[in-house]
Order: sequence, then C-alpha cells, then structure tokens
Amino acid sequence: AQSVTQLDSHVSVSEGTPVLLRCNYSSSYSPSLFWYVQHPNKGLQLLLKYTSAATLVKGINGFEAEFKKSETSFHLTKPSAHMSDAAEYFCVVRMFSGGYNKLIFGAGTRLAVHP
Amino acid sequence: GAGVSQSPRYKVAKRGQDVALRCDPISGHVSLFWYQQALGQGPEFLTYFQNEAQLDKSGLPSDRFFAERPEGSVSTLKIQRTQQEDSAVYLCASSLLGTPDLNTEAFFGQGTRLTVV
Repeated sequence: AQSVTQLDSHVSVSEGTPVLLRCNYSSSYSPSLFWYVQHPNKGLQLLLKYTSAATLVKGINGFEAEFKKSETSFHLTKPSAHMSDAAEYFCVVRMFSGGYNKLIFGAGTRLAVHP
Repeated sequence: GAGVSQSPRYKVAKRGQDVALRCDPISGHVSLFWYQQALGQGPEFLTYFQNEAQLDKSGLPSDRFFAERPEGSVSTLKIQRTQQEDSAVYLCASSLLGTPDLNTEAFFGQGTRLTVV
C-alpha cells in the first residue's frame, strides 16, 4: 500500500532563508508523487509532481523537489523563502487501485515565514 | 466557471440535522473525488465517481454519508443526522480523464467548512 509521512508538522524560517519540507513515501511500485499547497481560505494548489521522468522536479513559485528512491524521500525545497510562502504543504502519493487513481495525503507541514 | 466550485462555503448545522454539500466540477471532467479534512489533518479520501458511476465509497465513515452524481457532472455529498465528529472541511476535486492515465492533474475546490454544534 502507498503512504506518505511528512516528518515535520511545523517549520519556521526567516524570510530570505532556504526552505526544506521533508517527506518520505512508501510504495510497492514506482510512485507518482506530488506536493500541494493550501493557503488559508483557498483551494489546494498543485506545486509540482513526479511521474518517473526527471528525478529533480521544478514547480511553481521557485519550489523544487528531488525524488530519491534509495532514501524513499521526496523533500520540497526553495532557496529563499518569501512571506507569501506561509501556508500548509501536503506531500501526496497517487495510488492506483480498483481500476482508478486516488490521492493519498500526508498530514501536512505548516510553514511559517517571519521577517 | 473555470475551476471547481463548492457550495456553501460555510455551513453550521445543529447536531442531528441533515446537510447537503454541492460540488460543481470543471466542465467535461470525468473523475470526481470527495475528501474530508479534519482540523490540522491532511485530506482523507471519501468517495470516487467516474461520470455518474460511484466506483469507490470505501472512505465514507458511516452509512449516514451518501454521495451522488446522477448526470455525471454536479455531485452532492449528503450527511444525515450530523454529529460533532462530522465537523471538517469537505473538499471536492475533479480531473479530466478516468483511468489509467497517471498524469492527469486533480483540481480542488475551496471546500465547504461544516461545523456541527
């Protein structure tokens, strides 16, 4: 069965410093992995996705993630945090079961960015 | 509209009351999902439709929860005899294709925040 574990429930960084949000996955086959962001009172927005092409995936707003099979990780990074990056971030694995796909979410990491 | 629309955005229900939550997916999208997001948690899968067919309802927490999509477009999630533990944000998502295309993005609505008092 597929699952994801987000290692930190809260991360706090200063504006302009790097961001690292950690995610480990469990999958019986080559997974499709995603990062979604959820700003207050807004819908979930896809940041980036990995679907067995390049292992370093670039997303919107300067975010990127690297798929590391040996470490079963898919950590999200950004070189320099902006105040507008403050939000909830979800690592997601897509599970194919019963003839269709569904998304399995991690518990989320709340990112705080302070001046 | 261009995105997934959910209504109402907020709903306060008295315990024991029935509620109906509506989802308007992106026009032409085959797949429709409902998720439940409790406070401080990630969304959890409730049910899946492919057109009008409900292919998976394994995530529905009890028989008080019922979902339908009779014409393969708009979907309604109904909760009967609401309980306090039903308080959560209910998210709807749609994607263009059915399966097994693994590269189809799911688009989420803003959700309905249900508070049972």
